[in-house]
Amino acid sequence: DTGVSQDPRHKITKRGQNVTFRCDPISEHNRLYWYRQTLGQGPEFLTYFQNEAQLEKSRLLSDRFSAERPKGSFSTLEIQRTEQGDSAMYLCASSGGQGAPGELFFGEGSRLTVL
Amino acid sequence: GNSVTQMEGPVTLSEEAFLTINCTYTATGYPSLFWYVQYPGEGLQLLLKATKADDKGSNKGFEATYRKETTSFHLEKGSVQVSDSAVYFCALSDHSGNTPLVFGKGTRLSVIA
Repeated sequence: DTGVSQDPRHKITKRGQNVTFRCDPISEHNRLYWYRQTLGQGPEFLTYFQNEAQLEKSRLLSDRFSAERPKGSFSTLEIQRTEQGDSAMYLCASSGGQGAPGELFFGEGSRLTVL
Repeated sequence: GNSVTQMEGPVTLSEEAFLTINCTYTATGYPSLFWYVQYPGEGLQLLLKATKADDKGSNKGFEATYRKETTSFHLEKGSVQVSDSAVYFCALSDHSGNTPLVFGKGTRLSVIA
């Protein structure tokens, strides 16, 4: 198992464009989380899935953000009509299987720069 | 709501120095507490955890004790190494560990030889 992978690692876009990030979790993990991290801050929770069900969404997740996990495996996070304030590192994490409760396995993140 | 407050960094220490990174929390009920570490160029990874009062989590020479009376979970290491240079995040979830983690802002540690 290669761990949690995220793609792309870095995305530069112009304000107003749409972007999509993909996350492939550890295969036996049933929970998948999205967090956002800005410089000098800790990760901020956005949303999470248990299998294909989206169980919780943060108030940080405006209506321009949408996340899916259609088959309970990989997930996508789409940001529509990007704004400069969306520039951040978007982190994906997964948990479950043999891992201890609360032990999240993080990917290396997808860095978004909105010009 | 639940929140975590960490001491601000950066912290710069010489090799073999003693490390303390303070963490206090606000939560309803009895949360589980965690320290995560992010080494340069890598994703966050769990360093240690504690799930009830007076529990001590430990790993790689690091320790933290869950203090309910002071709502704290300070990270300590007796003798740091250059390889410990990283950003350290304190975090909490509900007691079961199944709610999304709430993280502190992180503390950057630099250890110099």
